[in-house]
Amino acid sequence: AQSVTQLDSQVSVFEEAPVELRCNYSSSVSVYLFWYVQYPNQGLQLLLKYLSGSTLVKGINGFEAEFNKSQTSFHLRKPSVHISDTAEYFCAVSLFRGYNKLIFGAGTRLAVHP
Amino acid sequence: EPEVTQTPSHQVTQMGQEVILRCVPISNHLYFYWYRQILGQKVEFLVSFYNNEISEKSEIFDDQFSVERPDGSNFTLKIRSTKLEDSAMYFCASIRTANTEAFFGQGTRLTVV
Repeated sequence: AQSVTQLDSQVSVFEEAPVELRCNYSSSVSVYLFWYVQYPNQGLQLLLKYLSGSTLVKGINGFEAEFNKSQTSFHLRKPSVHISDTAEYFCAVSLFRGYNKLIFGAGTRLAVHP
Repeated sequence: EPEVTQTPSHQVTQMGQEVILRCVPISNHLYFYWYRQILGQKVEFLVSFYNNEISEKSEIFDDQFSVERPDGSNFTLKIRSTKLEDSAMYFCASIRTANTEAFFGQGTRLTVV
């Protein structure tokens, strides 16, 4: 079975500081990796995805993530955050095969302060 | 930009009542999903639907739950006899083809009293 662990339930940073949200996964088979963002009272929006190819993937709003197969990690980073990045961030995996259900981590609540 | 739409945004129902949550997936998408998020917990997979039938379901998706695509555009989740523990945010999602990204609706917050 697959599982996703987001190592920090909450992260608090000041505006313009860098941030890293950590995600580790467990799977005996190959997976696709995703980061979704949920702004208050809104649905889930895809930030970025790793399907294959370059292990460094760039997403929307200046976010990027690096897939590390040996460490089974997919940490999300942004070099300089804005107040508007305050949201909940979810790491998720889906299997190469099957019907592509997503298995989510518990989420990391990012608070950006002025 | 095409989007997944869900109605209603919030529904309050009495325990034991039936509820139907509605979703309109993106029109050229072929795979459909329901997820739920109990307050303070992770988003959990409920069911996937492809080619007019359930393709996979989780342990949560017991006999009280059913899904339907009645008319080629709507995708519904029915809970026959709601329990207090069914209170959650329910998300609909769709995928165009296998191994592409899922697009989510805004969610329906279901409150069972």
